[in-house]
Amino acid sequence: GAGVSQTPSNKVTEKGKYVELRCDPISGHTALYWYRQSLGQGPEFLIYFQGTGAADDSGLPNDRFFAVRPEGSVSTLKIQRTERGDSAVYLCASSADRGYNEQFFGPGTRLTVL
Amino acid sequence: GIQVEQSPPDLILQEGANSTLRCNFSDSVNNLQWFHQNPWGQLINLFYIPSGTKQNGRLSATTVATERYSLLYISSSQTTDSGVYFCAVVAASNTGKLIFGQGTTLQVKP
Repeated sequence: GAGVSQTPSNKVTEKGKYVELRCDPISGHTALYWYRQSLGQGPEFLIYFQGTGAADDSGLPNDRFFAVRPEGSVSTLKIQRTERGDSAVYLCASSADRGYNEQFFGPGTRLTVL
Repeated sequence: GIQVEQSPPDLILQEGANSTLRCNFSDSVNNLQWFHQNPWGQLINLFYIPSGTKQNGRLSATTVATERYSLLYISSSQTTDSGVYFCAVVAASNTGKLIFGQGTTLQVKP
């Protein structure tokens, strides 16, 4: 079976532009998570969806970041007015049922803001 | 919030050697996972182990939840074991977010 997939694998954009990052979770997984990993650091939590709703968005750094999961499967992370400090690898994970089940990660999207 | 500390931060081994990586956490957890991040950045699941002991080939892990630590054992290390090992937990008081340690960078020399 397919794992978590993320597109694009790499995204280069200019400061001030808008970007969308996509995540396809493992089929049947109801929980979906976004994390961000900067160079030399462990991943940091951004947002967690249970079904279509955001159960915890406490990790979103500011209101330029927004994520949706309209049908409870695919999710899109949206970043407005990108800044150079947003450059990082954005990771998506999914798990069956509740948040404390085993999480499986996608390969990530490397975002570079010039 | 919960704190996760991993030790050692860096480890260099000769191929064939054994090693133990440690993860300490500051509060009760519902989930503890060990990951290996390969050179391409992919996080590979090693163990889901909120408590108890598990083994998978040359790797094994033990979590003592009451004492708030977990250990990852690597035996007969191979060069392909090189990379960063992360411990991550979900606090019992929390929804589902994994809190990661800073990782242990392992280099296995031939």
